[in-house]
Amino acid sequence: RKEVEQDPGPFNVPEGATVAFNCTYSNSASQSFFWYRQDCRKEPKLLMSVYSSGNEDGRFTAQLNRASQYISLLIRDSKLSDSATYLCVVNTAPGTYKYIFGTGTRLKVLA
Amino acid sequence: NAGVTQTPKFRVLKTGQSMTLLCAQDMNHEYMYWYRQDPGMGLRLIHYSVGEGTTAKGEVPDGYNVSRLKKQNFLLGLESAAPSQTSVYFCASSSPSRRGLTDTQYFGPGTRLTVL
Repeated sequence: RKEVEQDPGPFNVPEGATVAFNCTYSNSASQSFFWYRQDCRKEPKLLMSVYSSGNEDGRFTAQLNRASQYISLLIRDSKLSDSATYLCVVNTAPGTYKYIFGTGTRLKVLA
Repeated sequence: NAGVTQTPKFRVLKTGQSMTLLCAQDMNHEYMYWYRQDPGMGLRLIHYSVGEGTTAKGEVPDGYNVSRLKKQNFLLGLESAAPSQTSVYFCASSSPSRRGLTDTQYFGPGTRLTVL
């Protein structure tokens, strides 16, 4: 089993739709979780950290489910500009190098 | 603030040639990392550094060497390039947050390397 798994997609959704991605992780000791966004041929950029209590930033909501070992990202009112690949990243030991990257979920928002 | 910069942006090498990729950050971060990204695979850690003068192996270190002589710079060397090293290379840096729980990584724009 991979340490971090994501559905590769692509998810094709119309503008204005709500879309959700899940990411599962295998190491129950993991402490820090992130969602990064990566545009085609560009570097990953932090979208949001995922806290135990869940967090929201505008149209984006991230949640953590420790019992089932997954994190989720919800995008409401999708925009064309949301089209990108979304990477799930798990830091299994905060303060160390152990960042495990998922392969990413590709989102395409259609006009 | 330039953040994390990488040079060069593109490079084509012949098998057996050597080259050095340079990463620089101006955020005074302690940690720096070199990753490679290949189609269908997540970013994989090549080498990393937790401070000036220290380096360590990551997940896929074979065929690469690194040096961190200055806190702001992290160099990745390929001594004898092979076609399997054709990839996109990303440098990143981070520092522990005050809470000690989240370490956001900041990435450079990447170097696209082709080895023929």
